[in-house]
Amino acid sequence: RKEVEQDPGPFNVPEGATVAFNCTYSNSASQSFFWYRQDCRKEPKLLMSVYSSGNEDGRFTAQLNRASQYISLLIRDSKLSDSATYLCVVIASGSARQLTFGSGTQLTVLP
Amino acid sequence: DAEITQSPRHKITETGRQVTLACHQTWNHNNMFWYRQDLGHGLRLIHYSYGVQDTNKGEVSDGYSVSRSNTEDLPLTLESAASSQTSVYFCASSDTRREETQYFGPGTRLLVL
Repeated sequence: RKEVEQDPGPFNVPEGATVAFNCTYSNSASQSFFWYRQDCRKEPKLLMSVYSSGNEDGRFTAQLNRASQYISLLIRDSKLSDSATYLCVVIASGSARQLTFGSGTQLTVLP
Repeated sequence: DAEITQSPRHKITETGRQVTLACHQTWNHNNMFWYRQDLGHGLRLIHYSYGVQDTNKGEVSDGYSVSRSNTEDLPLTLESAASSQTSVYFCASSDTRREETQYFGPGTRLLVL
């Protein structure tokens, strides 16, 4: 079983739609969680951290469910520029410098 | 502006040849990482370094080596390239004060024939 699992998609949604991605992690000792974004043929970049209480950054909302070991990313009012692959990232306890990446979920926002 | 660069951006080589991919960062970060990205696998850690003269093996280190002689550079060497090493390679760095945020280079696309 992979440490971090994501639905690869692709998710094709119309502009203005709300879309949600989930990610599950296998190590219950994982301590930190993030979403990275990767544009086609580009490098990954940090999108946002995921806190236990949930957090929001504009149209993006990230939530963590430790009991079920999953994190989610909600994008409201999708824009064409949101088209990218979204990578779920986990840091296991005791390895603060090492990130474990999911395979990514591909999103295409259609005009 | 500080940045992280990789060279070459594209490389074609033959099986059995030694290949070195360069990574250079001007962030003055202590932590540096090499990943490979393949379809269906996501990013997998090859080697990493927490400072000069420090190197460590990652999840998929077989067939690869790194050296860290200064803060700015972490070259990745494929000792004897194999077709299974055809991939996109990303270098990354992070600050010890914000280790959860890694800054990635633009990537090197390597094709081993």
